[in-house]
Amino acid sequence: DTAVSQTPKYLVTQMGNDKSIKCEQNLGHDTMYWYKQDSKKFLKIMFSYNNKELIINETVPNRFSPKSPDKAHLNLHINSLELGDSAVYFCASSRRRGTRGGEQYFGPGTRLTVT
Amino acid sequence: GQQLNQSPQSMFIQEGEDVSMNCTSSSIFNTWLWYKQEPGEGPVLLIALYKAGELTSNGRLTAQFGITRKDSFLNISASIPSDVGIYFCAGPKETSGSRLTFGEGTQLTVNP
Repeated sequence: DTAVSQTPKYLVTQMGNDKSIKCEQNLGHDTMYWYKQDSKKFLKIMFSYNNKELIINETVPNRFSPKSPDKAHLNLHINSLELGDSAVYFCASSRRRGTRGGEQYFGPGTRLTVT
Repeated sequence: GQQLNQSPQSMFIQEGEDVSMNCTSSSIFNTWLWYKQEPGEGPVLLIALYKAGELTSNGRLTAQFGITRKDSFLNISASIPSDVGIYFCAGPKETSGSRLTFGEGTQLTVNP
C-alpha cells in the first residue's frame, strides 16, 4: 500500500564512503524528485526526473548522481561523502501535467549521518 | 534563496484552541499546497488549492488561496494533541513549472 517508499530509513557512514539511497513509487506518477532537508527543516529540491529524463538539477555537488532506471524508481548515489552531507533526504513523486499535477507526494525520508 | 515567507515560525497553544498560519510571496503562484510533517516522517499533503479565492476544507483544516495569488492561509479549528508537527506551505511559481518552493514551516505544539 506504500505510495512512495525509500530505503534505507537510516544510514550512518564514514567520510569518504560512497552510498546509495533507493526510491520507488507505486502511484503511476511520471515525475520523481529528490529533496534535502537540513537541520533547520528547510526543504530544498535537488533533482527531478520525468520519464527517466533529468528536468531539474539544482546547484548540487557532482558527487551526487541520480539514476532513474524506470519511471517508478529514482535512486540517489553519493560519492566521497562529507560531513555536510548529513541531512534527511526525501524522495517525492507527482504527475507531470493535468489535474493535480502540482501535488507532490513524499516518501518517509532517509536520515544520513556522516561521521 | 527562500522566497515564501511563512509565519509564525512556531506556535504553542492549548488543546481546543484555533490556529492560523499564513504564507506570502512576492511572486504569483499557480497552486498552493499545505503539508504537515511529523517527527521522523515525510511531509504529508493536507490541502491543495488551485484557484484564486478558493476556500477548501479537510476536516478541521481550512485553507484559502489569496485573491492576489501571492498568499495563502491555513486554519486549524479545535486543535488536538495529534495536530503537533511542522506545517509547510508550498507551490510552483507561475514560471517554474513543476518546481515547488517551500515555506520555512510553522512548528505547532499543542499542550493537552
